[in-house]
Amino acid sequence: DGGITQSPKYLFRKEGQNVTLSCEQNLNHDAMYWYRQDPGQGLRLIYYSQIVNDFQKGDIAEGYSVSREKKESFPLTVTSAQKNPTAFYLCASSLREDWIETQYFGPGTRLLVL
Amino acid sequence: GEDVEQSLFLSVREGDSSVINCTYTDSSSTYLYWYKQEPGAGLQLLTYIFSNMDMKQDQRLTVLLNKKDKHLSLRIADTQTGDSAIYFCAEKSNQGGKLIFGQGTELSVKP
Repeated sequence: DGGITQSPKYLFRKEGQNVTLSCEQNLNHDAMYWYRQDPGQGLRLIYYSQIVNDFQKGDIAEGYSVSREKKESFPLTVTSAQKNPTAFYLCASSLREDWIETQYFGPGTRLLVL
Repeated sequence: GEDVEQSLFLSVREGDSSVINCTYTDSSSTYLYWYKQEPGAGLQLLTYIFSNMDMKQDQRLTVLLNKKDKHLSLRIADTQTGDSAIYFCAEKSNQGGKLIFGQGTELSVKP
Protein backbone atom coordinates (compact mmCIF):
# COMPACT_ATOMS: atom_id res chain seq x y z
CA ASP A 1 0.00 0.00 0.00
CA GLY A 2 1.34 3.41 -0.95
CA GLY A 3 0.86 6.23 1.49
CA ILE A 4 2.13 8.49 4.21
CA THR A 5 2.65 7.23 7.74
CA GLN A 6 3.16 9.28 10.86
CA SER A 7 4.21 8.02 14.25
CA PRO A 8 3.43 8.00 17.01
CA LYS A 9 -0.30 8.75 16.97
CA TYR A 10 0.01 10.43 20.41
CA LEU A 11 3.15 11.90 21.93
CA PHE A 12 3.71 13.38 25.37
CA ARG A 13 6.41 15.92 26.04
CA LYS A 14 7.85 16.98 29.37
CA GLU A 15 9.06 20.51 30.06
CA GLY A 16 12.44 21.18 28.49
CA GLN A 17 12.38 18.04 26.40
CA ASN A 18 12.94 17.74 22.64
CA VAL A 19 10.68 15.28 20.84
CA THR A 20 10.77 14.01 17.27
CA LEU A 21 7.76 13.22 15.11
CA SER A 22 8.23 10.74 12.31
CA CYS A 23 6.88 11.08 8.76
CA GLU A 24 7.53 8.47 6.07
CA GLN A 25 6.15 8.21 2.53
CA ASN A 26 6.51 5.51 -0.11
CA LEU A 27 4.82 7.51 -2.88
CA ASN A 28 8.15 8.57 -4.41
CA HIS A 29 7.14 12.20 -3.85
CA ASP A 30 9.79 14.89 -4.02
CA ALA A 31 8.24 17.49 -1.72
CA MET A 32 7.26 17.06 1.92
CA TYR A 33 5.59 19.44 4.36
CA TRP A 34 4.86 19.82 8.07
CA TYR A 35 1.76 21.64 9.28
CA ARG A 36 0.47 22.49 12.71
CA GLN A 37 -3.28 22.50 13.42
CA ASP A 38 -4.85 24.21 16.43
CA PRO A 39 -8.58 24.02 17.26
CA GLY A 40 -10.69 26.38 15.17
CA GLN A 41 -7.75 27.33 12.99
CA GLY A 42 -6.56 26.29 9.59
CA LEU A 43 -3.28 24.54 8.98
CA ARG A 44 -0.12 26.59 9.42
CA LEU A 45 3.05 25.62 7.60
CA ILE A 46 6.08 24.89 9.79
CA TYR A 47 8.72 23.65 7.31
CA TYR A 48 8.79 22.24 3.82
CA SER A 49 11.30 20.44 1.65
CA GLN A 50 11.17 20.28 -2.13
CA ILE A 51 14.17 17.99 -2.55
CA VAL A 52 16.51 15.82 -0.49
CA ASN A 53 19.04 17.73 1.65
CA ASP A 54 17.14 21.00 1.25
CA PHE A 55 14.34 22.56 3.29
CA GLN A 56 12.79 25.97 3.90
CA LYS A 57 11.08 27.62 6.85
CA GLY A 58 7.35 28.04 6.68
CA ASP A 59 5.24 30.59 8.53
CA ILE A 60 5.82 29.31 12.09
CA ALA A 61 9.27 27.63 12.09
CA GLU A 62 10.49 29.01 15.44
CA GLY A 63 11.03 26.24 17.99
CA TYR A 64 11.06 23.49 15.36
CA SER A 65 13.75 21.77 13.30
CA VAL A 66 13.72 19.28 10.42
CA SER A 67 16.04 17.17 8.32
CA ARG A 68 15.66 15.59 4.88
CA GLU A 69 18.42 13.02 4.49
CA LYS A 70 16.26 10.58 2.55
CA LYS A 71 13.53 11.19 -0.01
CA GLU A 72 11.00 9.12 1.91
CA SER A 73 11.58 10.62 5.37
CA PHE A 74 11.04 14.10 6.84
CA PRO A 75 11.21 14.03 10.66
CA LEU A 76 10.16 17.07 12.70
CA THR A 77 11.78 17.88 16.05
CA VAL A 78 9.84 20.02 18.49
CA THR A 79 12.49 21.67 20.63
CA SER A 80 12.26 23.05 24.15
CA ALA A 81 12.23 26.53 22.57
CA GLN A 82 8.67 25.89 21.36
CA LYS A 83 6.72 27.18 24.34
CA ASN A 84 3.26 26.11 23.22
CA PRO A 85 3.72 22.80 21.42
CA THR A 86 0.33 21.22 22.17
CA ALA A 87 -1.30 20.74 18.76
CA PHE A 88 -2.11 18.26 16.02
CA TYR A 89 0.79 17.87 13.59
CA LEU A 90 0.20 16.87 9.99
CA CYS A 91 2.74 15.76 7.42
CA ALA A 92 2.06 15.93 3.69
CA SER A 93 3.87 15.14 0.46
CA SER A 94 3.48 16.04 -3.20
CA LEU A 95 5.02 15.17 -6.56
CA ARG A 96 6.89 18.09 -8.14
CA GLU A 97 6.42 16.85 -11.70
CA ASP A 98 2.68 16.86 -11.15
CA TRP A 99 1.55 20.28 -12.44
CA ILE A 100 -1.30 20.25 -9.97
CA GLU A 101 1.12 19.34 -7.17
CA THR A 102 -1.62 17.90 -5.03
CA GLN A 103 -0.64 17.40 -1.41
CA TYR A 104 -1.50 14.12 0.29
CA PHE A 105 -1.66 13.98 4.07
CA GLY A 106 -0.69 11.51 6.75
CA PRO A 107 -2.99 10.61 9.69
CA GLY A 108 -1.37 13.10 12.08
CA THR A 109 0.36 13.07 15.47
CA ARG A 110 -1.22 14.69 18.51
CA LEU A 111 1.40 16.22 20.82
CA LEU A 112 0.50 16.91 24.44
CA VAL A 113 2.58 18.57 27.14
CA LEU A 114 2.79 16.92 30.58
CA GLY B 1 -0.84 38.98 1.74
CA GLU B 2 -2.52 35.73 0.94
CA ASP B 3 -5.57 34.87 3.01
CA VAL B 4 -8.39 32.33 2.80
CA GLU B 5 -11.63 32.78 4.76
CA GLN B 6 -14.42 30.32 5.55
CA SER B 7 -17.40 30.36 7.86
CA LEU B 8 -16.78 28.08 10.85
CA PHE B 9 -20.03 26.07 11.10
CA LEU B 10 -22.80 24.71 8.90
CA SER B 11 -25.67 22.50 9.97
CA VAL B 12 -27.98 20.68 7.53
CA ARG B 13 -30.56 17.90 7.54
CA GLU B 14 -29.76 14.53 6.00
CA GLY B 15 -30.80 14.49 2.34
CA ASP B 16 -30.51 18.27 1.93
CA SER B 17 -27.77 19.98 -0.09
CA SER B 18 -24.86 21.61 1.74
CA VAL B 19 -23.03 24.63 0.39
CA ILE B 20 -19.70 25.54 1.94
CA ASN B 21 -18.25 28.89 0.94
CA CYS B 22 -14.72 30.22 0.78
CA THR B 23 -13.11 33.51 -0.23
CA TYR B 24 -9.48 34.03 -1.11
CA THR B 25 -7.30 37.04 -1.81
CA ASP B 26 -4.56 35.89 -4.19
CA SER B 27 -5.87 36.47 -7.72
CA SER B 28 -2.85 34.66 -9.19
CA SER B 29 -3.79 31.33 -7.57
CA THR B 30 -3.60 28.56 -10.14
CA TYR B 31 -5.39 25.80 -8.28
CA LEU B 32 -7.95 25.76 -5.48
CA TYR B 33 -8.64 22.67 -3.41
CA TRP B 34 -11.21 21.19 -1.09
CA TYR B 35 -10.09 18.83 1.67
CA LYS B 36 -12.16 16.86 4.19
CA GLN B 37 -11.01 16.07 7.73
CA GLU B 38 -12.80 13.54 9.91
CA PRO B 39 -12.28 13.67 13.70
CA GLY B 40 -8.72 12.84 14.74
CA ALA B 41 -7.61 12.12 11.17
CA GLY B 42 -5.51 13.68 8.46
CA LEU B 43 -6.87 15.62 5.49
CA GLN B 44 -8.36 13.81 2.53
CA LEU B 45 -8.35 15.51 -0.86
CA LEU B 46 -11.91 15.78 -2.17
CA THR B 47 -11.49 17.75 -5.36
CA TYR B 48 -9.66 20.65 -6.95
CA ILE B 49 -10.39 23.22 -9.64
CA PHE B 50 -8.08 25.00 -12.01
CA SER B 51 -8.41 28.78 -11.97
CA ASN B 52 -9.56 28.99 -15.60
CA MET B 53 -12.62 26.84 -14.87
CA ASP B 54 -15.99 28.02 -13.55
CA MET B 55 -17.38 24.72 -12.40
CA LYS B 56 -16.35 21.15 -11.76
CA GLN B 57 -18.66 18.27 -10.91
CA ASP B 58 -17.63 14.98 -9.38
CA GLN B 59 -20.51 12.69 -8.34
CA ARG B 60 -22.27 14.43 -5.40
CA LEU B 61 -19.72 17.25 -5.31
CA THR B 62 -19.97 20.47 -7.34
CA VAL B 63 -17.31 23.16 -7.13
CA LEU B 64 -18.13 26.67 -8.33
CA LEU B 65 -15.44 29.30 -8.85
CA ASN B 66 -16.17 33.00 -9.27
CA LYS B 67 -12.74 34.38 -10.09
CA LYS B 68 -13.94 37.99 -10.30
CA ASP B 69 -15.20 37.88 -6.70
CA LYS B 70 -12.50 35.41 -5.57
CA HIS B 71 -15.23 33.13 -4.24
CA LEU B 72 -15.16 29.35 -4.18
CA SER B 73 -17.97 27.05 -3.07
CA LEU B 74 -18.44 23.34 -2.52
CA ARG B 75 -21.92 21.91 -2.90
CA ILE B 76 -22.64 18.44 -1.54
CA ALA B 77 -25.85 16.97 -2.91
CA ASP B 78 -27.98 14.57 -0.84
CA THR B 79 -25.86 15.15 2.27
CA GLN B 80 -25.40 12.05 4.44
CA THR B 81 -24.41 11.69 8.11
CA GLY B 82 -21.06 10.33 6.89
CA ASP B 83 -20.39 13.74 5.35
CA SER B 84 -20.11 15.26 8.84
CA ALA B 85 -16.53 16.56 9.03
CA ILE B 86 -14.45 19.71 8.74
CA TYR B 87 -14.00 20.98 5.20
CA PHE B 88 -10.98 23.09 4.27
CA CYS B 89 -10.50 25.12 1.16
CA ALA B 90 -6.94 25.94 0.11
CA GLU B 91 -5.24 27.92 -2.60
CA LYS B 92 -1.89 27.12 -4.11
CA SER B 93 0.58 29.89 -3.41
CA ASN B 94 3.02 31.04 -6.05
CA GLN B 95 5.72 30.89 -3.37
CA GLY B 96 7.22 27.40 -3.44
CA GLY B 97 3.93 25.72 -4.22
CA LYS B 98 2.75 25.79 -0.62
CA LEU B 99 -0.95 25.70 0.17
CA ILE B 100 -2.76 28.44 2.08
CA PHE B 101 -5.64 26.97 4.08
CA GLY B 102 -8.84 28.47 5.38
CA GLN B 103 -9.89 27.90 9.00
CA GLY B 104 -12.17 25.03 8.04
CA THR B 105 -15.98 24.73 8.07
CA GLU B 106 -17.42 22.17 10.45
CA LEU B 107 -20.37 20.48 8.72
CA SER B 108 -22.91 18.85 11.00
CA VAL B 109 -25.52 16.59 9.35
CA LYS B 110 -28.60 15.85 11.44
CA PRO B 111 -30.71 12.76 10.73
